[in-house]
Amino acid sequence: IAGITQAPTSQILAAGRRMTLRCTQDMRHNAMYWYRQDLGLGLRLIHYSNTAGTTGKGEVPDGYSVSRANTDDFPLTLASAVPSQTSVYFCASSESGTSGADEQFFGPGTRLTVL
Amino acid sequence: GQNIDQPTEMTATEGAIVQINCTYQTSGFNGLFWYQQHAGEAPTFLSYNVLDGLEEKGRFSSFLSRSKGYSYLLLKELQMKDSASYLCAVSRGDYKLSFGAGTTVTVRA
Repeated sequence: IAGITQAPTSQILAAGRRMTLRCTQDMRHNAMYWYRQDLGLGLRLIHYSNTAGTTGKGEVPDGYSVSRANTDDFPLTLASAVPSQTSVYFCASSESGTSGADEQFFGPGTRLTVL
Repeated sequence: GQNIDQPTEMTATEGAIVQINCTYQTSGFNGLFWYQQHAGEAPTFLSYNVLDGLEEKGRFSSFLSRSKGYSYLLLKELQMKDSASYLCAVSRGDYKLSFGAGTTVTVRA
């Protein structure tokens, strides 16, 4: 059982370059999320999707975009990377995005460094 | 805004008990989660509380007081493998999670 996979595992990127982080889940969960985790700040929500075809902005959406063409995939794109986007990025999913009791399952993370 | 506070670090001895406190102020409340995160790994679910009181699950217990905006995670009979970060997360009124910065627990032999 794979759960959630993310690619790449890590990446070093030049500032100004475009980058897409990939996320795929095989649990048929309706909701998916992208977080960034920075030391001392905890996990912060970037974008989310409650169901295929819909997306929403989280706490820190600027500089990022997402799409949800199908249930399984939820890519995160940095259109023009900046050093402040250096972080560890986690993708997560939950059965629905409309229940407080939904446990979120996390992928292994992508460590991104923007120089 | 959302405000979730938990201590940055705690150290305890193998076999001991440690209590990690979490206080929160959020826009709406639909429950509180605790996650465990080992260094370099993904967070994994530990517990969920939505009603006041204590939930026990093996060596781990979680407590919630909604009126006080307070929760704690109790780790009993500490083992070396319990060395990790513990994340407090509140499910807000929009069902999205707001996370605290995490508490790093170090277990010494």
